[in-house]
Amino acid sequence: EAQVTQNPRYLITVTGKKLTVTCSQNMNHEYMSWYRQDPGLGLRQIYYSMNVEVTDKGDVPEGYKVSRKEKRNFPLILESPSPNQTSLYFCASSLSIMGDGYTFGSGTRLTVV
Amino acid sequence: AQSVTQLGSHVSVSEGALVLLRCNYSSSVPPYLFWYVQYPNQGLQLLLKYTTGATLVKGINGFEAEFKKSETSFHLTKPSAHMSDAAEYFCAVNGQNFVFGPGTRLSVLP
Repeated sequence: EAQVTQNPRYLITVTGKKLTVTCSQNMNHEYMSWYRQDPGLGLRQIYYSMNVEVTDKGDVPEGYKVSRKEKRNFPLILESPSPNQTSLYFCASSLSIMGDGYTFGSGTRLTVV
Repeated sequence: AQSVTQLGSHVSVSEGALVLLRCNYSSSVPPYLFWYVQYPNQGLQLLLKYTTGATLVKGINGFEAEFKKSETSFHLTKPSAHMSDAAEYFCAVNGQNFVFGPGTRLSVLP
């Protein structure tokens, strides 16, 4: 089944403790992206990647890192999480950046206390 | 810069009534347009998309949308609402980059 898999689904952590949210897709998509979803703010792009070893900042990159060492994986790294990073995070992938549309993962609900 | 506006953060309709969710966009290049649906505790699912060609696009679950270039609109409709349509709906535009609208929550009343 074609899908984007995120892990974990739920995570509660403490301020400053490094964490990684994994994202993997099995569709050989070139384009991958991370979004955060907050009430009243909709979906905001954090980082995106157009191909292996090619990443770029989205609208809200502060406090996040990403890497794209393999085409299928695009982990999101929070090196020193803070409470304002409490949010619902989605990974998404697309065959290209243009007219294909995204396939989304099921989301990761992160709480930083 | 591209942008997407969705009129009405919350829309309520009765079961069996027409669903109309509004989307307007701005883009400096010919856009590709999308509608996504998000059910509670789930990711976003593609409903339909417009790239080129026919301006009336049919999607899943009986939804359709019409691209009107002169009005820079891409409104989503469904002739008869069902309880299972209750969800959040996002319009998105892809021109220079991918931008989502703020979303419209659809409630369906019995």
